[in-house]
Amino acid sequence: GENVEQHPSTLSVQEGDSAVIKCTYSDSASNYFPWYKQELGKRPQLIIDIRSNVGEKKDQRIAVTLNKTAKHFSLHITETQPEDSAVYFCAASYHGGSQGNLIFGKGTKLSVKP
Amino acid sequence: ETGVTQTPRHLVMGMTNKKSLKCEQHLGHNAMYWYKQSAKKPLELMFVYNFKEQTENNSVPSRFSPECPNSSHLFLHLHTLQPEDSALYLCASSQDPHLATGHLSPLHFGNGTRLTVT
Repeated sequence: GENVEQHPSTLSVQEGDSAVIKCTYSDSASNYFPWYKQELGKRPQLIIDIRSNVGEKKDQRIAVTLNKTAKHFSLHITETQPEDSAVYFCAASYHGGSQGNLIFGKGTKLSVKP
Repeated sequence: ETGVTQTPRHLVMGMTNKKSLKCEQHLGHNAMYWYKQSAKKPLELMFVYNFKEQTENNSVPSRFSPECPNSSHLFLHLHTLQPEDSALYLCASSQDPHLATGHLSPLHFGNGTRLTVT
């Protein structure tokens, strides 16, 4: 079955710097890769996702890149702000099943210092 | 408002108690899920219901019993739990597959129930 590894587990950056979180997956059939943000005491929320037919996707300060050959994908946050502080989860799944096939990484706690 | 409402927000129960967690979604989705979130662990899928039918049960102990009476409501019945079952239990819903795109749609999570088993 699918296995998703996420690094680092904690990340501290200065406001305005960039943050990068990396994930690897094991199942080459996986073709959907969402990222969720969970602020302290709140529910996880989707911030961006990418499908295997594209290599990069951007949404304002957030971007995700996908390398299918190496089976890894990354989240890039530029010009970080204190409100970016949260736990970020990557996930991978195969489209052909349901969300029940969505496998999550262990999460990265991002702290943005003012 | 999240669109997915969970009650209660916090629950403390003894190992011999019976309690239920409730989830309601107002998004018109056809799939609902229970996830367990423990410290320093990935989100663990417990149960999936698609069109009210249970499609997945990820080897969850029988002390957890789900119920999905309709596509908008999902329950998790708890009995004789263990202290290691203490965690945040998250409900989620999605439109699976998405009616417009045919793709998987995002999961919409509730705020969770923080469960403590004493």
